[in-house]
Order: sequence, then C-alpha cells, then structure tokens
Amino acid sequence: DIQMTQSPSAMSASVGDRVTITCRASQGISNSLAWFQQKPGKVPERLIYAASSLQSGVPSRFSGSGSGTEFTLTISSLQPEDFATYYCLRHNNYPPTFGQGTKVEIK
Amino acid sequence: VKLVESGGDLVQPGGSLRLSCAASGFTFSDHYMDWVRQAPGEGLEWVGRIRNKANGYTTEYAASVKGRFVISRDDSENSVYLQMNSLKLEDTAVYYCVKSTPSWSDWFDSWGQGTLVTVSS
Repeated sequence: DIQMTQSPSAMSASVGDRVTITCRASQGISNSLAWFQQKPGKVPERLIYAASSLQSGVPSRFSGSGSGTEFTLTISSLQPEDFATYYCLRHNNYPPTFGQGTKVEIK
Repeated sequence: VKLVESGGDLVQPGGSLRLSCAASGFTFSDHYMDWVRQAPGEGLEWVGRIRNKANGYTTEYAASVKGRFVISRDDSENSVYLQMNSLKLEDTAVYYCVKSTPSWSDWFDSWGQGTLVTVSS
C-alpha cells in the first residue's frame, strides 16, 4: 500500500498565523488527494479535493497545492474556528489511506 | 444531503452486527457509498465501498475487514448497510457512512454523524 506521511502531527499557532500542513506519499499519486477538517466530537468535513479544488462553502483562506508525492494544505490567516485536526486522504488506488492527522492548537 | 447511521451497539468478540445508513437529499442510486471508521482517540480508517448499479454494485474492502464485513445497498430504500461478522476488539470505533461520486477525483464529500460500535466482553 502507498503510505502517507503527514506533518507535523501537532502544532500550536495564534489567530492570524499562516499555517502549512504537508502530506507526502511514498509514491506518485497524481492529484488524488483530499483534505478534511475534524473538530473535537464532530464529523470530518472535506475542505479540498483533487489536491487544490476548494469545497463549496469552505472559506477561501483554505487552499491546497501539490501533485505527485508532496501536497500542502495552507490556512492563510488562522481563525478561532480553525482549531481542529486535519487529515489528508490519498485515493489514487485501493485501499485509500488517510494521513495520521495534524492537531492545530491555540498558542 | 443527509446521511443517518443506525445500529451501533455493544457486542461481544466473535459476534455480529448490522449497521444501516439512510440517505436523503441527493440521487442515491447515482453515487458510490463508503464506510469509514474511527477508533476512540485515533485517526480515520477506510472500511469499504459499494459502487452504484451502473458499475455493477461492486465492492472493495480494507484488508483488516475483508472476509468479515459485507457492504450492501438497497437503492429502492436509499440505504446502505454494513454487515459485520466475527467482530474483534479492534473493530471498536465510530462508523461513518460517507457519500462519494463515481468521479475518481471526488471522494467523501458528505459524512453521516456516525454510529458507535463497541466490541467488548
């Protein structure tokens, strides 16, 4: 199976900070990558699909980039409601696999 | 889009359980449906998928559940099911019903609220 390495596993940031989360695939996956946000006790929600397409209704401060083996989720200006855990998902073949998650906490 | 799971319960190791997911707000028969689980305090794990009628209702499973779990669907009832047999302690998790389109670029766009399965003696 293709492995996804997500980093960092946790981070502390302040409101207004620019935040970058990375997922690296053990082999090329084209743009078959999505990003999800999960708040404590809540259901995951998709933010980005096809590596860089913004899900309808998601604020424009979220963006995704990358192709092949390295992908990035960027939050341009962190807001209080953005403190959550973020997961990447690669789905170029079966089984699809999630990254280990990045917990973004308040500094 | 609304996805409502039910059927989660406490079950003994080796036991069986059937989860259901009732869908509404979209053309259910056009879409693929997946199950994703999350063990307490852990990350997300894909369980399996059932494709639509146009793609033969074929299924895919994670290696950890293959041979024990079966996914089915009833398009007339707008429902998808997860039959879980030979349950193990490590199957304890919240199970989410998730909608996808047949497009290879469009996975997991809507999630249900989840149902908790606890495997314990």
